[in-house]
Amino acid sequence: LAKTTQPISMDSYEGQEVNITCSHNNIATNDYITWYQQFPSQGPRFIIQGYKTKVTNEVASLFIPADRKSSTLSLPRVSLSDTAVYYCLVGDEGFNKFYFGSGTKLNVKP
Amino acid sequence: EPEVTQTPSHQVTQMGQEVILRCVPISNHLYFYWYRQILGQKVEFLVSFYNNEISEKSEIFDDQFSVERPDGSNFTLKIRSTKLEDSAMYFCASSDGQGRNSPLHFGNGTRLTVT
Repeated sequence: LAKTTQPISMDSYEGQEVNITCSHNNIATNDYITWYQQFPSQGPRFIIQGYKTKVTNEVASLFIPADRKSSTLSLPRVSLSDTAVYYCLVGDEGFNKFYFGSGTKLNVKP
Repeated sequence: EPEVTQTPSHQVTQMGQEVILRCVPISNHLYFYWYRQILGQKVEFLVSFYNNEISEKSEIFDDQFSVERPDGSNFTLKIRSTKLEDSAMYFCASSDGQGRNSPLHFGNGTRLTVT
């Protein structure tokens, strides 16, 4: 079981960069790492995905070290609207089965 | 941008009743999923579906649950005899390729309340 471990919560202030790290010691060779954002009473929303090194898109960056046992989601200059729960997912041993961890609740303060 | 749509947004039912939750995945997607989230808890995997059959299921997905793709557009989750502990948000998701490398696109869920 490709279990993920994240901090339960983080606080930040508007305009700061936030880095959320996820541990996934048992990641399989072919698995990608995917991060989702969830607001209350909404479905999770895809943020970014990567396999190794660094990936950047218009909302975030994802850093993955060479051993791939962890990954770090970086949110530049957060705003109040970034207050949400952030989940990292890796594929599981099954063909098509993905487990969410407990997620990190990010609280952005003014 | 195409999206996954779920109906109804809120369903209230009595214990022991059957419910069917409906989803319309993104049209060119091939892989379909159901997840649930009990209030205040994490998102839990229920089942994945590909090529008109179940690919994977979790231990939560017991004989009381079933999924179906009755036509080319809908994907349904049926709970045969609801229990109080089935009260949760149920999310449908779809993806367009090999599950491991394709992001899941989620709907905004159906809130099921069992009384």
